Amino acid sequence: GIQVEQSPPDLILQEGANSTLRCNFSDSVNNLQWFHQNPWGQLINLFYIPSGTKQNGRLSATTVATERYSLLYISSSQTTDSGVYFCAVGYAGGTSYGKLTFGQGTILTVHP
Amino acid sequence: EPEVTQTPSHQVTQMGQEVILRCVPISNHLYFYWYRQILGQKVEFLVSFYNNEISEKSEIFDDQFSVERPDGSNFTLKIRSTKLEDSAMYFCASKRYSNQPQHFGDGTRLSIL
Repeated sequence: GIQVEQSPPDLILQEGANSTLRCNFSDSVNNLQWFHQNPWGQLINLFYIPSGTKQNGRLSATTVATERYSLLYISSSQTTDSGVYFCAVGYAGGTSYGKLTFGQGTILTVHP
Repeated sequence: EPEVTQTPSHQVTQMGQEVILRCVPISNHLYFYWYRQILGQKVEFLVSFYNNEISEKSEIFDDQFSVERPDGSNFTLKIRSTKLEDSAMYFCASKRYSNQPQHFGDGTRLSIL
């Protein structure tokens, strides 16, 4: 099956710093989602981005599907950004029904 | 904005007992999924459901698991004889069309004693 690798595994920042999280995947996909898992365990959908670039406030994401990677940018980080960030990829079509394969996550800690 | 709703939020069960985890997907969605996350690990796919039948399942989804969409609104995951290693957070997700994002519920934390 498809492999998903996220880097770095852990990231510690001071409030106000910028960061880039990376997601590499091993096969063609037509679904890619970035999630933030908060301390209560909820998966908050940040972006649906199978290709291209999107921005939402201080967050933006870019997926280069042909090169099989995606990047999540966090600018001016805040303590509330702390948590685990997951990249999840999938393929829907033919006999595939779009199951998502998740990476291991990046644990982000933002200190005040 | 419509949400995927999961109940209960936390379930504690004795080993060997049956549990049913409930989900109400977004009303016009057509594709349904269950995932699980063992504490401290990544989220893993269990099963997908489309057109009133299982469309895909993982190796984890063995004979002790079953899914149903009994009434056109609820989507349930049943674990027949729970084991300690079934302790995990279970997420339900749904989407309308194949080329759209999956919407996740808040999860049910299952603790097996």
